[in-house]
Amino acid sequence: EVQLVESGGGLMQPGGSLRLSCAASGFTVSDSYMTWVRQAPGQGLQWVSIIYPSGNTLYADSVRGRFTISRDSSKNTVFLQVNSLRVEDTAVYYCARISSGNYDWGQGTLVTVSS
Amino acid sequence: QLVPTQSPSASASLGASVKLTCTLSSGHSIYAIAWHQQRPEKGPRYLMKVNSDGSLNKGDGIPDRFSGSSSGAERHLIISSLQSEDEADYFCQTWGTWVFGGGTKLTVL
Repeated sequence: EVQLVESGGGLMQPGGSLRLSCAASGFTVSDSYMTWVRQAPGQGLQWVSIIYPSGNTLYADSVRGRFTISRDSSKNTVFLQVNSLRVEDTAVYYCARISSGNYDWGQGTLVTVSS
Repeated sequence: QLVPTQSPSASASLGASVKLTCTLSSGHSIYAIAWHQQRPEKGPRYLMKVNSDGSLNKGDGIPDRFSGSSSGAERHLIISSLQSEDEADYFCQTWGTWVFGGGTKLTVL
């Protein structure tokens, strides 16, 4: 059974940094498309970043240069490093696995940026 | 980045059918899209991938009353025999560029 468990969220100050983790089980992250999606309070879903099996990465224009996606095969975990936090980064951050015909979501972790 | 277009809201009666539409911008009609459902206060749930030829890849456990279709730059989600639990936000996402549409809030009357 595929499982994704996000962690690392919390209350942060503007300008701060944090690293979100997505621990996977039931499959191998390095063989999969792994993506981060966020949802600000009362808003829709916003795609953030993706890492491919090749290691290539893509980012949304709004986060490029501040966010970094990575993975650790030994831990079967995907990370999202978030730097220079802004109030508008406040959101629930979801990780997901994309396969050729399926898409598995985690339960999300809340990041709140406030002074 | 390619942003698909969705109507903000839709409504239909209990037991009826509804068709939700996701429109790709001109010149991008070959893209597949994914449909996701998000019930109130819940996380997203993958429903299906709709390819440009109308073929589908449905998620595990998605009922048969959820279906999809394709016509030109439009990708559709069709829900038949509407139930109260279908009241939710529905988001489309382009496959490959990964951008989400703004979502459609479906009300079941």
